[in-house]
Amino acid sequence: GDSVTQMEGPVTLSEEAFLTINCTYTATGYPSLFWYVQYPGEGLQLLLKATKADDKGSNKGFEATYRKETTSFHLEKGSVQVSDSAVYFCALSSPRTSGSARQLTFGSGTQLTVLP
Amino acid sequence: NAGVTQTPKFQVLKTGQSMTLQCAQDMNHEYMSWYRQDPGMGLRLIHYSVGAGITDQGEVPNGYNVSRSTTEDFPLRLLSAAPSQTSVYFCASSYSPGVAQETQYFGPGTRLLVL
Repeated sequence: GDSVTQMEGPVTLSEEAFLTINCTYTATGYPSLFWYVQYPGEGLQLLLKATKADDKGSNKGFEATYRKETTSFHLEKGSVQVSDSAVYFCALSSPRTSGSARQLTFGSGTQLTVLP
Repeated sequence: NAGVTQTPKFQVLKTGQSMTLQCAQDMNHEYMSWYRQDPGMGLRLIHYSVGAGITDQGEVPNGYNVSRSTTEDFPLRLLSAAPSQTSVYFCASSYSPGVAQETQYFGPGTRLLVL
């Protein structure tokens, strides 16, 4: 079945440091890939997404490129801020199979703490 | 727009008690789902619905019931609470159940503690 493997946390960085959170996946067909972010005490919200190979999703200074050859979708940001402290989830959505609706498969999440 | 709303925010139950977690959305979304979030395990799908009157099981359905009588509401029922159901529960919705790139919108969550 589908699966997402995400970099273990927690990750602690100083403000303005470079961030990479690794994400690799296993899926049938050509999934869409997502990064969701969960700020303290809130629900998940979409950060960025990519729907086909070599697509780059970007938002709020974060970027991730859909790499089919390495089945990866690593999240990067050049200069993190304290306000980026949150839990980040990598997820995939596979093409619809007969009789079932599309579902999101999540990684385990990576806690990021950015110190001033 | 309220988006996806969930009530209550926090609940404490005793083992064996039943309760209903409420979820509503005002975006006319066809697809709604319930997840539970446990430390180190990400989110796992409990049940989902592709429209009013249609529900199906996800990855971890045991101990939970759902129904979908309207497009807007998708309540999750715990029949006889167990400590293993202590978790944070998220409801999510999206417009179409069949589109790979469709964004799901999440509610703020319900934190449940079963003693």
